[in-house]
Amino acid sequence: EAQVTQNPRYLITVTGKKLTVTCSQNMNHEYMSWYRQDPGLGLRQIYYSMNVEVTDKGDVPEGYKVSRKEKRNFPLILESPSPNQTSLYFCASTPRGAVDGYTFGSGTRLTVV
Amino acid sequence: AQTVTQSQPEMSVQEAETVTLSCTYDTSESDYYLFWYKQPPSRQMILVIRQEAYKQQNATENRFSVNFQKAAKSFSLKISDSQLGDAAMYFCAYRAYNTDKLIFGTGTRLQVFP
Repeated sequence: EAQVTQNPRYLITVTGKKLTVTCSQNMNHEYMSWYRQDPGLGLRQIYYSMNVEVTDKGDVPEGYKVSRKEKRNFPLILESPSPNQTSLYFCASTPRGAVDGYTFGSGTRLTVV
Repeated sequence: AQTVTQSQPEMSVQEAETVTLSCTYDTSESDYYLFWYKQPPSRQMILVIRQEAYKQQNATENRFSVNFQKAAKSFSLKISDSQLGDAAMYFCAYRAYNTDKLIFGTGTRLQVFP
């Protein structure tokens, strides 16, 4: 089944403890992206990648890192999480230029205390 | 910069009735795509309908249709014969023709009452 797999689905952590949210897709998509969803703000892009070893900042990149060493994987790294990073996170992928080729992961609910 | 605005944080409708969700956007591009996504409590993001800006005809998918007004930069979603399963958060989204980035609005939560 074609899908974007995110893990974990839920995570509660403490301020300052490094964490990684994994994202993997099995559709050979070039473009991958991370979004955060907050009430009243919708989904905002954190980082994106147009292909292996090509990543760039989105609209709200502060406090996050990403890497794209393999085409299928695009992990989101929070090196020192803070409470303002409590949010719902989505990974998504699409073939380059596809009109409606977006596939979203099932989301990660992160709480930083 | 392109922006998408959804001015209705919440809407409600009675089962079998019709409801319209509003969306406006701002762009200087002439070629772009507009989307409506549905997010039920499961958090899954489901594509409801898509509109290409170069098409004058409004898109329709079964009970879902759009009213696309390019000059006014308006893209509303009409849900006819509302069903309990339509209850969800709805996001309007924009994508310029030459990019892969989706830009989302703030969302409208739709409640459906029996």
